[in-house]
Amino acid sequence: TQLLEQSPQFLSIQEGENLTVYCNSSSVFSSLQWYRQEPGEGPVLLVTVVTGGEVKKLKRLTFQFGDARKDSSLHITAAQPGDTGLYLCAGESRGGADGLTFGKGTHLIIQP
Amino acid sequence: NAGVTQTPKFQVLKTGQSMTLQCAQDMNHNSMYWYRQDPGMGLRLIYYSASEGTTDKGEVPNGYNVSRLNKREFSLRLESAAPSQTSVYFCASIRGLEGNSPLHFGNGTRLTVT
Repeated sequence: TQLLEQSPQFLSIQEGENLTVYCNSSSVFSSLQWYRQEPGEGPVLLVTVVTGGEVKKLKRLTFQFGDARKDSSLHITAAQPGDTGLYLCAGESRGGADGLTFGKGTHLIIQP
Repeated sequence: NAGVTQTPKFQVLKTGQSMTLQCAQDMNHNSMYWYRQDPGMGLRLIYYSASEGTTDKGEVPNGYNVSRLNKREFSLRLESAAPSQTSVYFCASIRGLEGNSPLHFGNGTRLTVT
């Protein structure tokens, strides 16, 4: 069974601060997806990283896939209250959602 | 386009009652999935349908049944609800099995079993 460990589980910081969320596994994944989920809604895809060492930027969010494709990080610069939500990583071992392993998520609260 | 639509949004059942959660997608996706989301447990796959006419068990299938009615619709049935099935249920779809395809989720059904 593949496991994805996300840390921290909870994070509450002030607006304007920087933060990093981690997603770690002992397994190799063909790709890794990051989702954000807001209260009362389903998760929405933010980004997919595919190549080891890949870095993708989405405005103030920077996503990195580890060289060995076992881990990933999400860095947010100058966090804003609109960044509040549950961040989920999901590692893909094969095509189709049955090949996806989800982490348990990081609950992020950005206080004004 | 509505994407993935789930009904109902909220439901309260008594132990032993049955109900069906409905899901429909309008993106012409081939594969559809049912997840449950519980505090501290993350998203867990209940059942999935890789293509119309097929269904398979996921990680936590006990107590549930599914029907892939057609390409658009995938329902989840609880025959005899138990308090352990109190959860938020999400339906999701994916274009195909080619990899690197994102999941598109509905907004969930919050189910309470008393």
